[in-house]
Amino acid sequence: AQSVTQLDSQVPVFEEAPVELRCNYSSSVSVYLFWYVQYPNQGLQLLLKYLSGSTLVKGINGFEAEFNKSQTSFHLRKPSVHISDTAEYFCAVSDGGGYSTLTFGKGTMLLVSP
Amino acid sequence: EAQVTQNPRYLITVTGKKLTVTCSQNMNHEYMSWYRQDPGLGLRQIYYSMNVEVTDKGDVPEGYKVSRKEKRNFPLILESPSPNQTSLYFCASSRTGGASGANVLTFGAGSRLTVL
Repeated sequence: AQSVTQLDSQVPVFEEAPVELRCNYSSSVSVYLFWYVQYPNQGLQLLLKYLSGSTLVKGINGFEAEFNKSQTSFHLRKPSVHISDTAEYFCAVSDGGGYSTLTFGKGTMLLVSP
Repeated sequence: EAQVTQNPRYLITVTGKKLTVTCSQNMNHEYMSWYRQDPGLGLRQIYYSMNVEVTDKGDVPEGYKVSRKEKRNFPLILESPSPNQTSLYFCASSRTGGASGANVLTFGAGSRLTVL
């Protein structure tokens, strides 16, 4: 069975500051990893994904994440946040294959203030 | 436009009154899924479907039913809603059959259900 732990339920940060949202996973097999973002009153949309290859993955809106197999982590980073980045961020894991299902973390609310 | 459409977006109902939340996708995706989102609990999967006439339980299936008679539609049925089913519901779909596209879910906008 796979699971995802998002270590922070809420991360407050000032505009233009860097941010890191933490995600750890557990799985007995190779994994695919994802970050989804949910803006207020909207559905989730894909921010970035790691399937294979380079462990540093770049996504939309200036976000990036690094897959660390030894630490079973997939932390999300942005060097300078904007007010518009205020949203809830979900880390998700899949054990791969064409019919796998995603397991989501509980989410981290990123609160960007001026 | 490629999208997943859910209806209704908002619904207030009473305990025991059967309701259906519809979900339709226009991307010819094989895989469809229902999630519920509750504060502090994240997204939990209710049911999923790998293709027409193939459905399976997720993590929290109690009190829900689904059907997949057509590829594009995946309705969620609450036969006898109870207050603990008050939640925000999301339908999602994806392609299957390969790492490059598999598991990248497209979500609907959500359906907020209140059961009194």
